[in-house]
Amino acid sequence: GIQVEQSPPDLILQEGANSTLRCNFSDSVNNLQWFHQNPWGQLINLFYIPSGTKQNGRLSATTVATERYSLLYISSSQTTDSGVYFCAVESELTGGGNKLTFGTGTQLKVEL
Amino acid sequence: GAGVSQSPRYKVAKRGQDVALRCDPISGHVSLFWYQQALGQGPEFLTYFQNEAQLDKSGLPSDRFFAERPEGSVSTLKIQRTQQEDSAVYLCASSLSGFYNEQFFGPGTRLTVL
Repeated sequence: GIQVEQSPPDLILQEGANSTLRCNFSDSVNNLQWFHQNPWGQLINLFYIPSGTKQNGRLSATTVATERYSLLYISSSQTTDSGVYFCAVESELTGGGNKLTFGTGTQLKVEL
Repeated sequence: GAGVSQSPRYKVAKRGQDVALRCDPISGHVSLFWYQQALGQGPEFLTYFQNEAQLDKSGLPSDRFFAERPEGSVSTLKIQRTQQEDSAVYLCASSLSGFYNEQFFGPGTRLTVL
């Protein structure tokens, strides 16, 4: 099946700092989503971005499908940004293309 | 509009008990997914419904796991004769239709098997 790897695995930032999270995937994808899992376990949709660039407030994301990676940018980080960030992909390799395969996650902690 | 809801939010079961976990998808969403998330891991796919049809159950870990969606809306994930290794968060997601659509997740049910 498709492999999805995220880096870095852990990240500690001071409030106000910027960061870039990376997601690499091993084959072509038809869907890519970025999620923030907050400390209460809720998966919050950040971006649906199989290709191109999108921005939403302090967050933006870019997916370069031909090179099999996606980037999530967080600017002016806040303590509420803390949690785990997952990318997840949908691929024909996963046998039907309906299921999301999640990456390994990036644990982000933003400190005052 | 309401998001995906799940109940109960927490469930403690003794080993060997049967449990039933409920998912209410977003109204109008045709597709419904169940995922299992172990502590410190990303969610892993269990099964997928389009309306009432279970189109993919390749992720169910054993025949003790059973899911249904009889009227194409609410879904129930049932685990028979629970084992300690079943302890995890069970997440439900829904999307407008099957292929390549954004999935939205519920808050999950945290199952602890003693």
